[in-house]
Amino acid sequence: QKEVEQNSGPLSVPEGAIASLNCTYSDRGSQSFFWYRQYSGKSPELIMSIYSNGDKEDGRFTAQLNKASQYVSLLIRDSQPSDSATYLCAVETGRRALTFGSGTRLQVQP
Amino acid sequence: GAGVSQTPSNKVTEKGKYVELRCDPISGHTALYWYRQSLGQGPEFLIYFQGTGAADDSGLPNDRFFAVRPEGSVSTLKIQRTERGDSAVYLCASRPDSSGGELFFGEGSRLTVL
Repeated sequence: QKEVEQNSGPLSVPEGAIASLNCTYSDRGSQSFFWYRQYSGKSPELIMSIYSNGDKEDGRFTAQLNKASQYVSLLIRDSQPSDSATYLCAVETGRRALTFGSGTRLQVQP
Repeated sequence: GAGVSQTPSNKVTEKGKYVELRCDPISGHTALYWYRQSLGQGPEFLIYFQGTGAADDSGLPNDRFFAVRPEGSVSTLKIQRTERGDSAVYLCASRPDSSGGELFFGEGSRLTVL
């Protein structure tokens, strides 16, 4: 079992719709959770971080964490073509470095 | 510097050659990380430094890979006897310390082994 699992996609949504990206992780001791966005040929950039159960909203983005289910999600409201990218879920456990999932490719259709 | 700087941005080498990749982290960041990313995959952890010492090198795939950070700032990833399977983008990231928070990534060094 991979430590951090994501559906590779592509996830295709029409412009203006809500995109829902999901991630599960295997280590119950994980403490910090991150969503990074990566455009093709570019380096990852942080979108959201979340540390406690529940929802965290920042503009059009909402991160959701459920530690009991070992599940993290990212919702993107009013999706725009510029949101088309690969979204990487990353998990931090103890003093270890971040462990990344393989990413979900999102395509927003104009 | 303003951001994490990596050089070279592109490196093409022949199988069996030695390669060095350099990373200059954000000024004042004591934690520095090396990741490797293959096409269609997420970044794969290689090694991280807290200051001058390697705090965790468990991700280095074999003894052909080595990294140093002698003065606690710039780091060099060294790959001996390169193989075609080493072809990937090597990403460096830093953050203020290893206690947590956002990783700031450089633009990566794309290594192609022919």
